[in-house]
Amino acid sequence: DAGVTQTPRHEVAEKGQTIILKCEPVSGHNDLFWYRQTKIQGLELLSYFRSKSLMEDGGAFKDRFKAEMLNSSFSTLKIQPTEPKDSAVYLCASSRGLGEGAEQFFGPGTRLTVL
Amino acid sequence: AQSVTQPDARVTVSEGASLQLRCKYSYSGTPYLFWYVQYPRQGLQLLLKYYSGDPVVQGVNGFEAEFIKSNSSFHLRKASVHWSDSAVYFCAVRRNTGNYKYVFGAGTRLKVIA
Repeated sequence: DAGVTQTPRHEVAEKGQTIILKCEPVSGHNDLFWYRQTKIQGLELLSYFRSKSLMEDGGAFKDRFKAEMLNSSFSTLKIQPTEPKDSAVYLCASSRGLGEGAEQFFGPGTRLTVL
Repeated sequence: AQSVTQPDARVTVSEGASLQLRCKYSYSGTPYLFWYVQYPRQGLQLLLKYYSGDPVVQGVNGFEAEFIKSNSSFHLRKASVHWSDSAVYFCAVRRNTGNYKYVFGAGTRLKVIA
């Protein structure tokens, strides 16, 4: 099986721009997660989908961050408008969600730099 | 609410020495527990998981962890570390019902020296 795919791997944006990050989960997985990772804050949950339904939308990120699951095999994370403090690695992960298939599979991440 | 504490931000050990990375969690029921490893410029990779049964679970590359419910701990161990084990290690907990959100610890950066 293919793992979680994220594109692009690197993104450089000017302050105020809109950027869209993409994620393709492992085929057959029901749960999809977006995280932001920084050295200071560690892993922060941005959004969590179950079977395409939004289960959790990280409160602090609601105003400029919007994740969508357009279908079961594709998700996007839009940041609008970007700010320099958004510079981080954005990780996408998926999971079967149930029982012993509970572990998350992570993509390689997108490194975002906002100037 | 769930929480995970990894009390050691950084650990340095000599190659060939044994290793223990600590993890304590807070959760009222019996959770799913995980250890992940992250190498530079990569996503997280699963080392091992505890779901039920034998509290000592074996993982990849000689890692193991022990679930001790009375102590709410899930420490990671390795008998003999290799320089390639240098990475960041994350402990995580997940409910086994309802909202399947994961909670991660802050991570422990392991450095293996010669």
